[in-house]
Amino acid sequence: DAGVTQSPTHLIKTRGQQVTLRCSPKSGHDTVSWYQQALGQGPQFIFQYYEEEERQRGNFPDRFSGHQFPNYSSELNVNALLLGDSALYLCASSLAGNNQPQHFGDGTRLSIL
Amino acid sequence: AQSVTQLGSHVSVSEGALVLLRCNYSSSVPPYLFWYVQYPNQGLQLLLKYTSAATLVKGINGFEAEFKKSETSFHLTKPSAHMSDAAEYFCAVSETRGSNYQLIWGAGTKLIIKP
Repeated sequence: DAGVTQSPTHLIKTRGQQVTLRCSPKSGHDTVSWYQQALGQGPQFIFQYYEEEERQRGNFPDRFSGHQFPNYSSELNVNALLLGDSALYLCASSLAGNNQPQHFGDGTRLSIL
Repeated sequence: AQSVTQLGSHVSVSEGALVLLRCNYSSSVPPYLFWYVQYPNQGLQLLLKYTSAATLVKGINGFEAEFKKSETSFHLTKPSAHMSDAAEYFCAVSETRGSNYQLIWGAGTKLIIKP
């Protein structure tokens, strides 16, 4: 049973470019959350998708957008990249419900030059 | 809004010694609490969760945590540290907003094991 898979594992971009990160949830999970983790810090919640809709959003600008597909996989898009967007981007999947633990992928390391 | 405080950004213990990582939360309703571990260059792995059943929760790798409502705490312990326990540990509380919810995270505690 595959867990949460993310692609790519590493990515290097330059300022102003756009990037798309991908996530396949754990089998049976229907909810996907995205987090940004800067070096030496805890995860910061970006948004959560359920039933192909954005259900909650953290304190991130509109440059950060996402999508969830009918098979529950998800994408995170970031436009107009800034140096400060360099971070580990984590995807987590779960069943719906606030007592359900989230299962994390190994993340995508995004470096902005 | 709920919040999570982890006391000590770094905790250093000797191999074989007791591990105690502290987590305090603020919540106006009974919370759902989680501990996760993160090894270098990896995602987060669930250690254990509290969902209002037993107050003493046993997790993987010999870790356990005790929910104390009076102290609003959910400290993580392990009787005997092993070198493989060196990692960063995060405490999180589930915050419900209407029909939606999200995890609120502590800043993390890096556990260092001395040989």
